[in-house]
Amino acid sequence: TQLLEQSPQFLSIQEGENLTVYCNSSSVFSSLQWYRQEPGEGPVLLVTVVTGGEVKKLKRLTFQFGDARKDSSLHITAAQPGDTGLYLCAGPLGGGATNKLIFGTGTLLAVQP
Amino acid sequence: DTEVTQTPKHLVMGMTNKKSLKCEQHMGHRAMYWYKQKAKKPPELMFVYSYEKLSINESVPSRFSPECPNSSLLNLHLHALQPEDSALYLCASSQGVRFVTGRETQYFGPGTRLLVL
Repeated sequence: TQLLEQSPQFLSIQEGENLTVYCNSSSVFSSLQWYRQEPGEGPVLLVTVVTGGEVKKLKRLTFQFGDARKDSSLHITAAQPGDTGLYLCAGPLGGGATNKLIFGTGTLLAVQP
Repeated sequence: DTEVTQTPKHLVMGMTNKKSLKCEQHMGHRAMYWYKQKAKKPPELMFVYSYEKLSINESVPSRFSPECPNSSLLNLHLHALQPEDSALYLCASSQGVRFVTGRETQYFGPGTRLLVL
């Protein structure tokens, strides 16, 4: 059972289009992170959202954390070829002194010029 | 410097070989991780080291043996691997391991692409 489900799984769009990626769970998370992984590289953190209902913007990227802290979305405005990559949401799991990050199922985005 | 380095970049090995993957960070981070990633899939956690001690082993087969010689270095020793172990192996580090605070960031290396023949 995958705790963090992302949709869509794959997305191929033209440069200039807008898109939204969703990250959903039946569990409540204290925070969620979004990473982007480009081909041949490791994932890079884009943002962390910690408060229910929080909205954060990073240039053309807008991240939202659901009010109930069970879901998050990533909206990209006017996508560019440089946005191509694997987008991953991730959330902490486990109590105590050591938590671990679990990753969502991933959304592979291809932006065609 | 927010760099995590991994060597080698690519590795091809037979099922009877013994090889090691190396990871290094100089950010003063006290937690280091090994992940396995199949193509177009999310990373799967294998091991977590916190203050040079193994704190999480995600039921990884014993043919994978991690080692943390010091706080900057992390190795993954490989022996008698199977073809299904072919994947991208990612190393990561973070200041601490309390991700529930929302204040931790994992920094990933570029990975070692492993092919087992």
